Amino acid sequence: AQTVTQSQPEMSVQEAETVTLSCTYDTSESDYYLFWYKQPPSRQMILVIRQEAYKQQNATENRFSVNFQKAAKSFSLKISDSQLGDAAMYFCAYRSADWGGSEKLVFGKGTKLTVNP
Amino acid sequence: GAVVSQHPSRVICKSGTSVKIECRSLDFQATTMFWYRQFPKQSLMLMATSNEGSKATYEQGVEKDKFLINHASLTLSTLTVTSAHPEDSSFYICSASWKRGAGQFFGPGTRLTVL
Repeated sequence: AQTVTQSQPEMSVQEAETVTLSCTYDTSESDYYLFWYKQPPSRQMILVIRQEAYKQQNATENRFSVNFQKAAKSFSLKISDSQLGDAAMYFCAYRSADWGGSEKLVFGKGTKLTVNP
Repeated sequence: GAVVSQHPSRVICKSGTSVKIECRSLDFQATTMFWYRQFPKQSLMLMATSNEGSKATYEQGVEKDKFLINHASLTLSTLTVTSAHPEDSSFYICSASWKRGAGQFFGPGTRLTVL
């Protein structure tokens, strides 16, 4: 079974600075998807960024980018120019891409990000 | 695009009653919908996966007779908590997906309080 580990329960960053959230995963599959979701205090889960494992290029979405290291099974999220609105719980998630495989998301335990003004 | 709604956002009920939560995909047809439960300061726990027109697949440890899931159309899934008890109080979240690899899009959640 696949597992996702987020080793940082809490992180903090100064406004306008850069922060990196860590995520590692374990799988025997060769093709899969990785996601970062954000859950602000409203508790609405928001998709931040998505990475397809067969793509070597790291995904980017404006101030959010990932460092995807497939061999190391690492998928970290970098937030640049942090804003107060970035404060939230961040969840890393894994999903199989195999046809016939599970569509379930496997979540990490989350990292609570605090942005200090 | 990819908006998912949930209704109600909050519900308070008495022990022993049943509560129905609706999950709707507003601007796409959801081939698969998922139901999660989230305890305070914890991650999401998948309860079940449902595909339109077929029976839901429940995760191990989730009572299918207590948490009834119906996915009657490509835009609507319902979760009914039957004979609710205080320990069922939680935050319930649904999500929907329209194709493999697209990711899941989440509803805003429903806070259930059972007195």
